[in-house]
Amino acid sequence: DAGVTQSPTHLIKTRGQQVTLRCSPKSGHDTVSWYQQALGQGPQFIFQYYEEEERQRGNFPDRFSGHQFPNYSSELNVNALLLGDSALYLCASSKDRGHEQYFGPGTRLTVT
Amino acid sequence: AQSVAQPEDQVNVAEGNPLTVKCTYSVSGNPYLFWYVQYPNRGLQFLLKYITGDNLVKGSYGFEAEFNKSQTSFHLKKPSALVSDSALYFCAVRAGRDNFNTFYFGSGTKLNVKP
Repeated sequence: DAGVTQSPTHLIKTRGQQVTLRCSPKSGHDTVSWYQQALGQGPQFIFQYYEEEERQRGNFPDRFSGHQFPNYSSELNVNALLLGDSALYLCASSKDRGHEQYFGPGTRLTVT
Repeated sequence: AQSVAQPEDQVNVAEGNPLTVKCTYSVSGNPYLFWYVQYPNRGLQFLLKYITGDNLVKGSYGFEAEFNKSQTSFHLKKPSALVSDSALYFCAVRAGRDNFNTFYFGSGTKLNVKP
């Protein structure tokens, strides 16, 4: 039974570019949440998708957007990258919006 | 607003000694509290949770946590530390509205267990 998977593992982008990160939830899960973890900090909630719609959003600008597909996988898109967007991006999945969230290994984004 | 605080950036303990990693919380309503562990270049792994019931919660790898409502604390404990317990530990509180659950995480505590 595969857990939460994320791709790519690492990514290097230039300021101003756009990036797409991908997440496949744990088998049987239908809810996907995205978190940003800056170096030396705890994860911060970006947004959550359920039934292909954004259901909740943290304090992040509109440059951060997402999508959920019919198979429950999800993408996180960040436009107009800033140096401060450099972080580990974590995806977590749960069943039916539940509080038991399983985290993926993350995508390390470096913006230069 | 929901929040958690981890007052210690780092905790050092000798192998075999008991360990405590501190967490305090602020929530409206009944708290749902969690502990996660993060190893280098890895995602977060669930350790334990408190939803209701006994104030002493037992979790994975011999860890336990004590919920104290009067002190609004949820400290992580282990009777005998192992070198392999060295990692980054996060306390989290459930947030979200309606039926949607998200987490607010603390800033993390680095646990160093020395042989």
